[in-house]
Amino acid sequence: DTGVSQDPRHKITKRGQNVTFRCDPISEHNRLYWYRQTLGQGPEFLTYFQNEAQLEKSRLLSDRFSAERPKGSFSTLEIQRTEQGDSAMYLCASNTQGYEQYFGPGTRLTVT
Amino acid sequence: GIQVEQSPPDLILQEGANSTLRCNFSDSVNNLQWFHQNPWGQLINLFYIPSGTKQNGRLSATTVATERYSLLYISSSQTTDSGVYFCAVEQSFQKLVFGTGTRLLVSP
Repeated sequence: DTGVSQDPRHKITKRGQNVTFRCDPISEHNRLYWYRQTLGQGPEFLTYFQNEAQLEKSRLLSDRFSAERPKGSFSTLEIQRTEQGDSAMYLCASNTQGYEQYFGPGTRLTVT
Repeated sequence: GIQVEQSPPDLILQEGANSTLRCNFSDSVNNLQWFHQNPWGQLINLFYIPSGTKQNGRLSATTVATERYSLLYISSSQTTDSGVYFCAVEQSFQKLVFGTGTRLLVSP
């Protein structure tokens, strides 16, 4: 029983660089979600996909952020021109609509 | 948007003690989940409980959807129960909205 996986687990980058994260959901799940969590806060929704369609994007997702799920399987989240305020834990989750969401271990991003 | 508040924000217990964590939400929801976030940041599913009562070992949860609250009970706490507990609600089968969390420390 494989859960949600994310890669990399940690990323340190310099301000202004681009970064890309990957999420592999549980195989039978058609929905995939991205959340961001900063220190001391609960996770906040960024965007979600049903199969390959991106159905909703949060206002938190600025123009520097883009997410894809090209074949309805894994997803990537790219941040362009990173800023120090982007430092956070990026969490991915998956489910089948109407059922509980399962989370991956997260990618911790540090922008120096 | 919907507001989700948890209480207490912080809780310190001696090993073996019992506790109750509360989650209030401001609007009707389709689903509610309780999570335990371990020190490495992993969110561990505890309960998926839009209504009613469920039990799993030393943990149990009750959601009263008509009154817009949920309770998580931890009995005979252990040091491994330490961490942050989140409730999260879902409207219209979309995104989860997380509460503010309860930070629990269980001392030996």
